[in-house]
This record gives sequence, structure tokens and C-alpha cells, in this order.
Amino acid sequence: GNSVTQMEGPVTLSEEAFLTINCTYTATGYPSLFWYVQYPGEGLQLLLKATKADDKGSNKGFEATYRKETTSFHLEKGSVQVSDSAVYFCALYLNRDDKIIFGKGTRLHILP
Amino acid sequence: NAGVTQTPKFRILKIGQSMTLQCTQDMNHNYMYWYRQDPGMGLKLIYYSVGAGITDKGEVPNGYNVSRSTTEDFPLRLELAAPSQTSVYFCAISPNRDRGNEQFFGPGTRLTVL
Repeated sequence: GNSVTQMEGPVTLSEEAFLTINCTYTATGYPSLFWYVQYPGEGLQLLLKATKADDKGSNKGFEATYRKETTSFHLEKGSVQVSDSAVYFCALYLNRDDKIIFGKGTRLHILP
Repeated sequence: NAGVTQTPKFRILKIGQSMTLQCTQDMNHNYMYWYRQDPGMGLKLIYYSVGAGITDKGEVPNGYNVSRSTTEDFPLRLELAAPSQTSVYFCAISPNRDRGNEQFFGPGTRLTVL
């Protein structure tokens, strides 16, 4: 079946460090891929998305590239800030379905 | 949170009590979803709706009911609350399939069943 696997957390980094959160997917077809972010005490917010192979989604200094050959959509940021501390969810959507499949989330802690 | 309102924000229930979690949107989106998020865990889909009058079960529907009589409202009903239903409940909306189905989430309802 369709699924999303993302790296286990928590991930703890110092401010200004480079961030990678890995995400791979399994899907029968050509999904759209998303990264959502959840700040403490809030609902999820769309961070970025990519709808076809080789597309790069970017927002707030984060970026992720849709890699069909490796079925991956890794999230990266060159220099993290304390305010980036949150839980990050990778997700996929297939056009024939009516729902998104979410990964389990990765908690990120950024130390000052 | 992009036109999605959830009430109440917090609620404590006793075992066996019932309640309705309200979700209202003002974006005229067809698709609406209910998720639960247990502590330290990801999201699990409870029910969803692709339009007024249409609802369908998600991954964990047992113990819950929904209705969708209007485009704007998608209430979630708990009939006999159990401690296993202690969770944070999120309502989400999305426009249609052509937009890649990105979802907009409400702020959540934190429910505790004692």
C-alpha cells in the first residue's frame, strides 16, 4: 500500500547548523509530496510541496526536491534557527484518493 | 489557521459521556477531515467528507460519528467517551483534487477522558 517513512526523532541541532530530515515514500502512481510543520500547541501548516518529479518546493529557507528515482523528498535547511523548533511531517497525496497519507513526524529541537 | 474554526479548545469528559466537536470553515472547500493526534504520535484519520451529504470512514472510525449537512460544518460526535479517546483532534479542509489536495488545519481540540 501507499506509505511515508521519515526519520525518527527527536533531532537536536545547534543554531545555524545544517538540517536534513529524511523522507521516503511508497506509492502506486505519481503522488504529490508535502512537508507540514506543527509548532507547539498549534495545528499543522503546509510548509512546502512538490507535485511532480524533479520539482523543488521551498519556503522560509527550507527546501525539498521530489526524487522519483529514489522515491524521496528530504527536507533541508542551510542554517536553522531556534524558531524552527517544531514537529515536521512528510506526506503524500495521490490524485485518485481523497486523503493525504502522513508520516509519523520528526521532532526538531534547535539549541541557542 | 486559514478559515478553519474548532470548538471547544479544551474539554474534560467522564467515561460514558458524549460530546460534539465542532468544525466550521469559511473557505467554501469541499473536502473536510477529522484527525486525532495522540501524544508524541502522528496523525490518524477518523472520518472525511468530499462534500455536503457525503462522509466516509478513515483509519480509526470506531467510537465516532460524523455528519455533513452543509459545506461549512463537519461536526464529530463521540457517543460513549472512553479513556482511549483522550487525544488532540484536528479538523482540516482542502479545495479539490486539482490543487494537489494540500490541507489547511484548524487549531485543534484537546480532549481528556477520565
